[in-house]
Amino acid sequence: GENVEQHPSTLSVQEGDSAVIKCTYSDSASNYFPWYKQELGKRPQLIIDIRSNVGEKKDQRIAVTLNKTAKHFSLHITETQPEDSAVYFCAANSGTYKYIFGTGTRLKVLA
Amino acid sequence: DAGVIQSPRHEVTEMGQEVTLRCKPISGHNSLFWYRQTMMRGLELLIYFNNNVPIDDSGMPEDRFSAKMPNASFSTLKIQPSEPRDSAVYFCASSSGNASPTQYFGPGTRLLVL
Repeated sequence: GENVEQHPSTLSVQEGDSAVIKCTYSDSASNYFPWYKQELGKRPQLIIDIRSNVGEKKDQRIAVTLNKTAKHFSLHITETQPEDSAVYFCAANSGTYKYIFGTGTRLKVLA
Repeated sequence: DAGVIQSPRHEVTEMGQEVTLRCKPISGHNSLFWYRQTMMRGLELLIYFNNNVPIDDSGMPEDRFSAKMPNASFSTLKIQPSEPRDSAVYFCASSSGNASPTQYFGPGTRLLVL
């Protein structure tokens, strides 16, 4: 069945450094790739998304890149801050409505 | 503009009791999703509805779980009888479906079955 693999499972970076989280998907029909941030005890919140007709998208310190041929996409956070510490989930759509989520990456930004 | 609303926010119950979780999607959204989140299994899709019709319930763990969507503004997830292994955070999410696939999550219901 459809699958999304996410790496690494944990990531620690110094404040001000960059963080990169990578995901690979299996369904070649997937065309929408959102990223969610989940702080402790809170709901997942969308931080950025990308569609398959675009290779890269940026929003301030956050960027997402997509390689359709290789079926992988990545989240890039630059100039990390302590408030970036959270669990990040990637997802790929499966069919029109459904997402397949990755297993999450726990990011710690060390002050 | 209200987001997805879930109730209750916390539920503590004893094994064998019936539990009902409630969700109100964002107005105008026609797709609704129920997820379960645990440390061991991550974020799992249980069931989703489109235009109030269940489309995929393959994630529902067993017959003890059932979900309904009687109208566009309300859905329930019921567990009967509940078991300790059902303890988790249950999220409801909604989206515009074809118009936009972005899913917006509710605050979740933290369920503890003793």
